[in-house]
Amino acid sequence: EPEVTQTPSHQVTQMGQEVILRCVPISNHLYFYWYRQILGQKVEFLVSFYNNEISEKSEIFDDQFSVERPDGSNFTLKIRSTKLEDSAMYFCASSWGQKNTEAFFGQGTRLTVV
Amino acid sequence: GNSVTQMEGPVTLSEEAFLTINCTYTATGYPSLFWYVQYPGEGLQLLLKATKADDKGSNKGFEATYRKETTSFHLEKGSVQVSDSAVYFCAPREGGGSQGNLIFGKGTKLSVKP
Repeated sequence: EPEVTQTPSHQVTQMGQEVILRCVPISNHLYFYWYRQILGQKVEFLVSFYNNEISEKSEIFDDQFSVERPDGSNFTLKIRSTKLEDSAMYFCASSWGQKNTEAFFGQGTRLTVV
Repeated sequence: GNSVTQMEGPVTLSEEAFLTINCTYTATGYPSLFWYVQYPGEGLQLLLKATKADDKGSNKGFEATYRKETTSFHLEKGSVQVSDSAVYFCAPREGGGSQGNLIFGKGTKLSVKP
């Protein structure tokens, strides 16, 4: 069964460093998403991506964040200068369609900023 | 903006007990409704969905009915098992211009004791 894969599963980084979280969405999907979940809190939307551009982003997704789909298979989230409060589980998701279709989630990358 | 309210957890039940997890939502349009489940150490998986009013989604013994008049999508299961222990997330998904972003509730942690 096709699945969304994320790497690494756990990333520890020092405050101020850049991190790149990687995702391989399901191959025939068209819509891509990043969400995050701070420990003990709700899952929050960060950004959606379609047709090689950002289609929507939340207030959390400020200038420190960027996304890219460099080669037609990977979908990356970059945080330029990490802060302690960026520590969270980051989930990548993809879907074939929008409203009525299921979004498939990866296992997540746990980012710890120290 | 759009939002989801789920009943507060954790919920602790004995095996074979009846489960209800309440979910109400606010949305500007006519969303599809999803329940996702997160088993310990894993990512988010679709449990069930309903795409229009009065639809009933069902899977693995879980059911939820789309109640447009009360903007609710309560999750039920007649007889829970230890393996149902997980965190459950209610999530409406809108279409149209919003690109179908899932809006998650805080999640309800369920623990089922043998």
